[in-house]
Amino acid sequence: AQKVTQAQTEISVVEKEDVTLDCVYETRDTTYYLFWYKQPPSGELVFLIRRNSFDEQNEISGRYSWNFQKSTSSFNFTITASQVVDSAVYFCALSEARETSGSRLTFGEGTQLTVNP
Amino acid sequence: DGGITQSPKYLFRKEGQNVTLSCEQNLNHDAMYWYRQDPGQGLRLIYYSQIVNDFQKGDIAEGYSVSREKKESFPLTVTSAQKNPTAFYLCATASRYTEAFFGQGTRLTVV
Repeated sequence: AQKVTQAQTEISVVEKEDVTLDCVYETRDTTYYLFWYKQPPSGELVFLIRRNSFDEQNEISGRYSWNFQKSTSSFNFTITASQVVDSAVYFCALSEARETSGSRLTFGEGTQLTVNP
Repeated sequence: DGGITQSPKYLFRKEGQNVTLSCEQNLNHDAMYWYRQDPGQGLRLIYYSQIVNDFQKGDIAEGYSVSREKKESFPLTVTSAQKNPTAFYLCATASRYTEAFFGQGTRLTVV
């Protein structure tokens, strides 16, 4: 069975601070995908990144960066110079990588990030 | 516009009633999903479908039913057997090559 753990339920920072959201996962699959989604107060989930299990390169997109370490089954997300607009719930998710279309996503519990001015 | 449409945005159900939540997509994705989100919690999978006329139970399927008669549509019925249906329901779609895309959700309240 797959499992995703986000140990940080809530994080509160002051604007311009850097913040890292932790994600640890469990799976028996050798091939899988990892995701991060952002959920603003409106409720819709916004896709941030997808990472294939074969690709352990870290990725940077603007103020966002992701650190994937297969050895520790972690896929952490860092926001540099946080802004008030970053306030949201962030979810880490895991899916199988199969030949058929679409695979079930397993989500973590989410981390509520609050960035204070 | 391309995307996923969930309706209604807000839904109120009386005790003992069945209600159906709509999810329509024009992304031409094969897979569709229904998730439930309770306050302060993550998303739990109710049902998913990878192809028309086929679907599988997720982790919390009891008290729910679905159908997939068309590729574009994956309605979710919350039956009277679901004892605690008040929650936020999210529909998602995906293809083999893409991440999951989510609708804007339906907030269901039992009155």
